[in-house]
Amino acid sequence: SQQGEEDPQALSIQEGENATMNCSYKTSINNLQWYRQNSGRGLVHLILIRSNEREKHSGRLRVTLDTSKKSSSLLITASRAADTASYFCATYEETSGSRLTFGEGTQLTVNP
Amino acid sequence: DAGVIQSPRHEVTEMGQEVTLRCKPISGHDYLFWYRQTMMRGLELLIYFNNNVPIDDSGMPEDRFSAKMPNASFSTLKIQPSEPRDSAVYFCASSLPGRGTEAFFGQGTRLTVV
Repeated sequence: SQQGEEDPQALSIQEGENATMNCSYKTSINNLQWYRQNSGRGLVHLILIRSNEREKHSGRLRVTLDTSKKSSSLLITASRAADTASYFCATYEETSGSRLTFGEGTQLTVNP
Repeated sequence: DAGVIQSPRHEVTEMGQEVTLRCKPISGHDYLFWYRQTMMRGLELLIYFNNNVPIDDSGMPEDRFSAKMPNASFSTLKIQPSEPRDSAVYFCASSLPGRGTEAFFGQGTRLTVV
């Protein structure tokens, strides 16, 4: 079963707008990671946030983590057509060994 | 580094045939993961290795699936015999020592069983 559940399943916006994707999970975690997958390609790691962190930035990406609500959000600012992809959250919990558990993803379409 | 290398990129085979997927992880990574991605089930972890030793194969769907890692630079996932429901994209990923670190994915093998 999927640990993370992304919301929304699909998002369509215009270039220049901000895109926000959410991830909810069920158990306690050690870290949460976001990945991007372009059509027909492998997943690419974007950012990792530890359970004791609340917010992290990387370029146009901003990730927040609320462990009390068991949720995370990924914000992409000033989106570009090249940001069109599927975005997945993945959770890591120590008791699960070294596995990452992926959500089902949000399909983001940025229209030029 | 060239990243995680998978071969073949595409494989079309007939039901009942043996299929072997190959993966070369990034040098120095001691974790290797095999995932399967389908529209219905999303991304599923099949098995992972640490220092060439299988650690958790609970995600392997059936005895028809087997995986090996004979050395630090090579792993295979074999399906014998293959069935149409095995059609999916299979990804290999590797990560650095340390648990919970970021995973580096290969480009995947798109398997179609007809």
